[in-house]
Amino acid sequence: DGGITQSPKYLFRKEGQNVTLSCEQNLNHDAMYWYRQDPGQGLRLIYYSQIVNDFQKGDIAEGYSVSREKKESFPLTVTSAQKNPTAFYLCASSIVGYEQFFGPGTRLTVL
Amino acid sequence: GNSVTQMEGPVTLSEEAFLTINCTYTATGYPSLFWYVQYPGEGLQLLLKATKADDKGSNKGFEATYRKETTSFHLEKGSVQVSDSAVYFCVVANQAGTALIFGKGTTLSVSS
Repeated sequence: DGGITQSPKYLFRKEGQNVTLSCEQNLNHDAMYWYRQDPGQGLRLIYYSQIVNDFQKGDIAEGYSVSREKKESFPLTVTSAQKNPTAFYLCASSIVGYEQFFGPGTRLTVL
Repeated sequence: GNSVTQMEGPVTLSEEAFLTINCTYTATGYPSLFWYVQYPGEGLQLLLKATKADDKGSNKGFEATYRKETTSFHLEKGSVQVSDSAVYFCVVANQAGTALIFGKGTTLSVSS
């Protein structure tokens, strides 16, 4: 089955720790995206990548980092510099310029 | 840049009622417009889309028409079901077509 997988589904982090969220797709899409969702809010774009080894900052990139070493994978690291990291994180992929397909999300909680 | 505004919820309806969720956008040119739906605890799914003015997107009984005169893309369904309970997001592509801009979402709750 083609699709997007995110892991883990739930993640707990202590303050001051970095944590990496996984996103994998087998849809052969060039573009991948990371969004953050807070309660009662829409999605806000963190980073996106339109091609391997290249990525761009979104609206709220501070405190986050990404890499795109393979077409299928776009991991997101939430660093200790992110002041309020507790949120629901969604990964998406698309053919560039077309609708995006979303993964099931990772809920990150800082203890 | 492009932006989107949708009606605030929650919207509470009885089964078989008519649904309208209003959405207006601000954009340069004629970007693609989308409605996405998020069921509890899940990621987002594309519900329908329209890529040019006067296009009507439809899926699962939901419809929305791309109206450039009123810069609107209202979501409608003639008879809602309990299973339609979810959060609905109105979305506009950014000017470059490289990312999506989301409204804040409207929570729909349908009771039997």
